[in-house]
Amino acid sequence: GQNIDQPTEMTATEGAIVQINCTYQTSGFNGLFWYQQHAGEAPTFLSYNVLDGLEEKGRFSSFLSRSKGYSYLLLKELQMKDSASYLCAVRHYNQGGKLIFGQGTELSVKP
Amino acid sequence: ETGVTQSPTHLIKTRGQQVTLRCSSQSGHNTVSWYQQALGQGPQFIFQYYREEENGRGNFPPRFSGLQFPNYSSELNVNALELDDSALYLCASSFGDRAEEATNEKLFFGSGTQLSVL
Repeated sequence: GQNIDQPTEMTATEGAIVQINCTYQTSGFNGLFWYQQHAGEAPTFLSYNVLDGLEEKGRFSSFLSRSKGYSYLLLKELQMKDSASYLCAVRHYNQGGKLIFGQGTELSVKP
Repeated sequence: ETGVTQSPTHLIKTRGQQVTLRCSSQSGHNTVSWYQQALGQGPQFIFQYYREEENGRGNFPPRFSGLQFPNYSSELNVNALELDDSALYLCASSFGDRAEEATNEKLFFGSGTQLSVL
């Protein structure tokens, strides 16, 4: 089976750091993606991890541990515009490499 | 802007009707994936088309069908609409060297079609 878990919602303060966790149980793992989705808009790509370790891209970083089935997205120097839903998605070897998404974490950034 | 366009942006239908949603993929992409996103949920995989052939299907009934055209644009058709079909339908394009890795790279999503079934 396939199962992806992430917190439903989180709140953080402008300028702070927030970590959004994602755990997964799946067969045929072929990479983990993080997407950002503002209300009423399309998901936009943030990061991709296929090997263990940390990938840094500006204010955003993503970490993967394949043995633990665990990833996190780290957002630094939070801005109000970072208020959005953050989607964790696992890619599979089969079915053309389909992405299986978690339910998303709704992040609210407060002044 | 992702270069992926979907039409229409909003649609209202009644139960039992049929609907066709359209997607133009980003230039150079040969793979289109369709997702259904209910309010407050993550996108659910419906199916994928690679070079005009279905290349994987999620847990959706046969009344959900699709097509991909030679220019790699795509359609999603839903017959006998049910109330639970109300959702945001997202199209995502990507490029793959072969069917097994048709989403070699990241997906580029369109803004979606918001379907309401009354």
